[in-house]
Amino acid sequence: GENVEQHPSTLSVQEGDSAVIKCTYSDSASNYFPWYKQELGKRPQLIIDIRSNVGEKKDQRIAVTLNKTAKHFSLHITETQPEDSAVYFCAPHSGSARQLTFGSGTQLTVLP
Amino acid sequence: SAVISQKPSRDICQRGTSLTIQCQVDSQVTMMFWYRQQPGQSLTLIATANQGSEATYESGFVIDKFPISRPNLTFSTLTVSNMSPEDSSIYLCSVERSDTQYFGPGTRLTVL
Repeated sequence: GENVEQHPSTLSVQEGDSAVIKCTYSDSASNYFPWYKQELGKRPQLIIDIRSNVGEKKDQRIAVTLNKTAKHFSLHITETQPEDSAVYFCAPHSGSARQLTFGSGTQLTVLP
Repeated sequence: SAVISQKPSRDICQRGTSLTIQCQVDSQVTMMFWYRQQPGQSLTLIATANQGSEATYESGFVIDKFPISRPNLTFSTLTVSNMSPEDSSIYLCSVERSDTQYFGPGTRLTVL
């Protein structure tokens, strides 16, 4: 199965600064790399994803970069805002896997 | 996307009793997934529920403890049997659409 490591486990940034969260995986067959955001008391929701034929994807203030050779991908949040405070999970998997192995999560706190 | 509802949203139960959680999806899906999220932890897959066949359980989870039903393509139930305080968690169902996982709102279970 997939071994997933996510770092850091907690991250505090000042509002307006950038945040980067890294996810390392073991399965070289993985070809889909999503990031989920879970606000307190809410369900996890997809915020951005990338597939293995692309190195970077950006959506406004968030971006995901992928290094397939090194087997890691990262979530980048720029110009952070208080509403970015949440737990973020990575969940890499291959198209043939119908279930996800979630990373351990990163608690991001954006300080006003 | 997918619209998923769960009942109950929360419950407080006594040790030794059982609770059945219901999950309803807005359209037909082949597989439905049940996850457990212990306090402050990541999501762990319990089992995959397929319509017309027995559920597939992940390591550490057994059918006697977590029986699952899947009577049709839009509905599933998870029962937490003979509960103990260690079963206190959030239980979430999910479905997959185009590789993205969509979650129900979760059932917060507290066992006294």
